[in-house]
Parts: sequence; C-alpha cells; structure tokens
Amino acid sequence: GQQLNQSPQSMFIQEGEDVSMNCTSSSIFNTWLWYKQEPGEGPVLLIALYKAGELTSNGRLTAQFGITRKDSFLNISASIPSDVGIYFCADPWGGGKLIFGQGTELSVKP
Amino acid sequence: DTAVSQTPKYLVTQMGNDKSIKCEQNLGHDTMYWYKQDSKKFLKIMFSYNNKELIINETVPNRFSPKSPDKAHLNLHINSLELGDSAVYFCASSQHIWLTGRENTEAFFGQGTRLTVV
Repeated sequence: GQQLNQSPQSMFIQEGEDVSMNCTSSSIFNTWLWYKQEPGEGPVLLIALYKAGELTSNGRLTAQFGITRKDSFLNISASIPSDVGIYFCADPWGGGKLIFGQGTELSVKP
Repeated sequence: DTAVSQTPKYLVTQMGNDKSIKCEQNLGHDTMYWYKQDSKKFLKIMFSYNNKELIINETVPNRFSPKSPDKAHLNLHINSLELGDSAVYFCASSQHIWLTGRENTEAFFGQGTRLTVV
C-alpha cells in the first residue's frame, strides 16, 4: 500500500529560526496535503498542493509539490511559540481516505 | 460553533466493557471517518461512510462497529474493550466534489476522544 516517509521525526528549535521538513512517497501522488495537530486537538489542514512543481504559501508557511510527484516539503519561516505541534503530510488515496506520514513534532523554545 | 464535535473527550474504562463515542458534523458533508492515533502519534483510518453507507473498513476488529443514523452523525461502538484499544480516536468529515478535475478532499477533524482501557 501507500507509504509516506516524513522527516525529521522531531525538531527542537529556537524562536525565530526557519524550519524545513519533508515527505517522500513510494509512489506518484496527485495531491499533497499538510496538516498541523496542536496538543489536545485534531489535525487542521494548512496547505493543499495539486500540481507537480506547485509552490503555495499560507502566511509564514510555504509548501512545494516535488517535480517527481514523489515528495513534498514544508517550510516555516521565523518560527514562533505557537508553531508548536505535530506536522503531518497526507495523501488522499482514493475516496477521500487520508494516508498520513509519521509526523514531525516541532518544539519551539522562546 | 464546532464543525465536527465528538463526545466524550476523555473515556477511562475497564477491560471487557462496551463503550460508544459519538460524532456529529454541522458542515453538511457527505462523508465521515474514524481515525485512530496511537501512542506514537501515527494516524490511521479505520472507517469511512458516505451518505450513511460504509465505504472503507480498514481491517478493524469486528469489536468495532460504526453506526451512521444519518449523514451528519457517525458513532463508534466498541465491544469487549482491550488494553490495546487505548488510543485517541478522531472523527472527521469531508465533502467530495470535483473541482477542475481534481478531488477536493479537505477533511475536518474533531478534537479527539482519548480512550484509556485499564
């Protein structure tokens, strides 16, 4: 079945630093989704990517759909304490079933 | 005005008991899901219902039985709870429409139900 490998698994950074995380798949994707899960909450969609090479921003977040259609990255610029959470890449694999990566847990030190 | 709400938020129960988790969405979506998040934070789909009809059942033990009385509700009943059932269970919903040739699959999640079996 579909497998998503997300890295790094965790990051500990200082407030103000930029963050980069990525996701690779074993097969070609038509869509990449990036979700954030804050402590005690459900995942919330941050960015959706639908086309190879697409670069999309949402405030300080930028995500790109890789040209090979097998990877995607998410960057966060000038991190702040409220960026803390787990970031998941996901693929809607037919019928809306979301396949999630393992998540990148982000900790931001003020 | 919560879009996807599930109750209870916390559930502590003994092994062998039967319990239910309720989920309701007020977004008018036609598809609802149950996901399980384990202790390593891995999110895995369990079930998906479209217009009250089961469309995905991901080899979940038959002790887990979803029930959808209408398309705004998807409840999860668990029989004979086991220690390994301890996890956070998330309900989600989405509306499947085609936008310029691609499927719009943004799923909205509830806050989760932390189930602890002792």
